[in-house]
Amino acid sequence: GAGVSQSPSNKVTEKGKDVELRCDPISGHTALYWYRQSLGQGLEFLIYFQGNSAPDKSGLPSDRFSAERTGGSVSTLTIQRTQQEDSAVYLCASSITGNTEAFFGQGTRLTVV
Amino acid sequence: AQSVTQLDSQVPVFEEAPVELRCNYSSSVSVYLFWYVQYPNQGLQLLLKYLSGSTLVKGINGFEAEFNKSQTSFHLRKPSVHISDTAEYFCAVSGYGTASKLTFGTGTRLQVTL
Repeated sequence: GAGVSQSPSNKVTEKGKDVELRCDPISGHTALYWYRQSLGQGLEFLIYFQGNSAPDKSGLPSDRFSAERTGGSVSTLTIQRTQQEDSAVYLCASSITGNTEAFFGQGTRLTVV
Repeated sequence: AQSVTQLDSQVPVFEEAPVELRCNYSSSVSVYLFWYVQYPNQGLQLLLKYLSGSTLVKGINGFEAEFNKSQTSFHLRKPSVHISDTAEYFCAVSGYGTASKLTFGTGTRLQVTL
């Protein structure tokens, strides 16, 4: 597509429920990144994919967070047993390789109530 | 590992005045440097980047930044701002060879008024 697409744009969930956030990167981009933007923590790196593998998961805050990427394209970030502190905007970015400019999606605003 | 410090959380400025948003970084390796802009309820848009070469980098919307290795700074400047420049600005750094894995500063809110 023309840009990085994320869905849903907004998600409200009850504490304890699982949520899935989706990212469609720019076609042909092999690298994909997830970031989290929250009031208390600013913008934080979560995970990096090169193709379907994730060589860097160092930013995932707990084992409730996981992500996968299939077909070298779409990625899903899953948060299990959501907590209120998970409320944030989750941003996805893609780049042609891991060493080039990253293009960001509009983000998914997650609110845990 | 890298870190970024944006000293000013908010910068108020009148339209047509010049502005400088400050950014300092820390890294044990060579770095790439970026400035991103975020308009309300939107994602991040790249303003400009320093990868190598000339230390004065020009970006979109009339912005420029200068890489100063000795002072580990990458301040963003614009000679004359417009109301439409009101947004959040983020400085970011990545390690050489990992240009897409970014470490961000906490952001500077630029508020332009008449």
